[in-house]
Amino acid sequence: QVQVVESGGGVVQPGGSLRLSCAASGFTFSRYGMQWVRQAPGKGLEWVAFIQYDGSNQYYADSVKGRFTISRDNSKNTLYLQVNSLRVDDTAVYYCAKGSASLENWGQGTLVTVSS
Amino acid sequence: EIVLTQSPGTLALSPGERATLSCRASQSVTSSLLAWYQQKPGQAPRLLIYAASSRATGIPDRFSGSGSGTDFTLTISRVEPEDFAVYYCQQYGTSPRTFGQGTKLEIK
Repeated sequence: QVQVVESGGGVVQPGGSLRLSCAASGFTFSRYGMQWVRQAPGKGLEWVAFIQYDGSNQYYADSVKGRFTISRDNSKNTLYLQVNSLRVDDTAVYYCAKGSASLENWGQGTLVTVSS
Repeated sequence: EIVLTQSPGTLALSPGERATLSCRASQSVTSSLLAWYQQKPGQAPRLLIYAASSRATGIPDRFSGSGSGTDFTLTISRVEPEDFAVYYCQQYGTSPRTFGQGTKLEIK
């Protein structure tokens, strides 16, 4: 069955960096676009970024543009999100999801906490 | 960016009642590329409806979506106990893709 599992979250100081990973299985990863969505504690969902199936195109929310980079390694069935220049308001659970359009399958998320 | 406004913020119903959730966009949603998701506490969201009215795999037929342009609706024909959750709409026709703020369906 389709599965995506996020990892790489943790506690980081403002201005710091992390690399989030999302391991995919149960489908042909290289044929699907992938996305990241985040959810601050007690808040709603916020779309973060999209990458095309072959990595040729990426799109970002304005709130993260220039600080976050989405990428993928189709040989490893893995999606990444490099998060730099972190701010307190980046604190959230980060979900990866399969799909170029609607978000068909979601992982359980990885928590990023930005705090001094 | 397209702003999605969901109403009501909270909907209190009894099991067996009909639920009607609204999602209004600040501008027309391209090709009705709008989805609905359900999220229960401590869980990841789950896709219910895509392209405004198509049910995702495994979603019961008591869930239905409708609408076009700027006005969209999610209807649950008869609410079951497991349906009490938060529901989000999302448009994915225009970048940046955006979510509504959510409607909480709670037990009356």
